[in-house]
Amino acid sequence: EAGVTQSPRYAVLQEGQAVSFWCDPISGHDTLYWYQQPRDQGPQLLVYFRDEAVIDNSQLPSDRFSAVRPKGTNSTLKIQSAKQGDTATYLCASSRQNYAEQFFGPGTRLTVL
Amino acid sequence: QQKVQQSPESLTVSEGAMASLNCTFSDGTSNNFRWYRQHSAKGLEVLVSIFSDGEKEEGRFTAHLNRANLHVSLHIREPQPSDSAVYLCAVITNAYKVIFGKGTHLHVLP
Repeated sequence: EAGVTQSPRYAVLQEGQAVSFWCDPISGHDTLYWYQQPRDQGPQLLVYFRDEAVIDNSQLPSDRFSAVRPKGTNSTLKIQSAKQGDTATYLCASSRQNYAEQFFGPGTRLTVL
Repeated sequence: QQKVQQSPESLTVSEGAMASLNCTFSDGTSNNFRWYRQHSAKGLEVLVSIFSDGEKEEGRFTAHLNRANLHVSLHIREPQPSDSAVYLCAVITNAYKVIFGKGTHLHVLP
């Protein structure tokens, strides 16, 4: 069974530029999570979906961040106008509904100069 | 809201010596605790999940949970240089949210 895949693995931007991250969850997993992990911090949940519906986006900076999962499978996280404070690793995870086990992808390491 | 704190921030041990990592949490109503390992540029690897007070062993990794003291620890027997990584403590809430600590950087010297 293939794991969670993410792309790109690395991104380097200037402040003000836009970037998108892509996640392909494990087949059959209806729940998908996006986490932000700043350097020397633990992952912090940004948003999660069940199928195509957003369940909780309370920690997503809505003025610049957006996330979609239009067909309930792959997902895209976008930062419209990146800031240096967005420098972090962005992790995607997936799980089956009502199962605590989340499976994590390798992450995208973002550096904003 | 559940808060998770880990100590120490960084730990250096020699190959073969026991490594002990600590984690405290603020809300004792959770009953699902997990230790992850994170190598640079890799995803999170689950090491041990523990659901009740006491001890749970998975190979060289042993977790101890004491919910009355709001404490869970991880002990690594005979650590090797390849175990050098960041170790993350996580508490899974009753709503299946995962709350992570900041991590302990473990360095194992050959």
